[in-house]
Amino acid sequence: GQNIDQPTEMTATEGAIVQINCTYQTSGFNGLFWYQQHAGEAPTFLSYNVLDGLEEKGRFSSFLSRSKGYSYLLLKELQMKDSASYLCAFMDSNYQLIWGAGTKLIIKP
Amino acid sequence: GAVVSQHPSRVICKSGTSVKIECRSLDFQATTMFWYRQFPKKSLMLMATSNEGSKATYEQGVEKDKFLINHASLTLSTLTVTSAHPEDSSFYICSARDEIEGYYEQYFGPGTRLTVT
Repeated sequence: GQNIDQPTEMTATEGAIVQINCTYQTSGFNGLFWYQQHAGEAPTFLSYNVLDGLEEKGRFSSFLSRSKGYSYLLLKELQMKDSASYLCAFMDSNYQLIWGAGTKLIIKP
Repeated sequence: GAVVSQHPSRVICKSGTSVKIECRSLDFQATTMFWYRQFPKKSLMLMATSNEGSKATYEQGVEKDKFLINHASLTLSTLTVTSAHPEDSSFYICSARDEIEGYYEQYFGPGTRLTVT
């Protein structure tokens, strides 16, 4: 079957680094996505990984290991505006996104 | 990135009435659009997949006669909530799929907050 899991909530300090992990199980895989969602708003695209390795985009990086069914989103130099939910999703063999429940990230000054 | 618009952003309607929500891809053509529903502090729940020129594919448990989806063109999909009831109050989000260099990316509309009184 299909399964995707990420922590419910994380807390970090402004200026620090935080890593949000995501594990998944699926027979068909067409890439892994990370989205950011602020309360009351729609998700916005952050990153996409289809091959193993690290993709860096400014303060945000995303890593994928397909053999381990594992991804993480790394946020550096945290800012208060990074307080949001971070959604992990993989695209299955039907090109449909299967969503994690989201990780609520709380940034403290 | 590509832009998806959604209209209206907020709507309040009376129980028993119908509400139509529009989703448009502004700078790309989307063969496939998706409709999601999100309850407070919950993840996105896929309601249906909308394909241009054909019938929508509904997820299990979603009433197709209640949530009418029409994908009339490559840039427009509509969701009509018929005979709305208070339990239909929710945040409805559409997304459109774009193919970029051999892979698919999904862009989300800003969402529509529906309140049924």
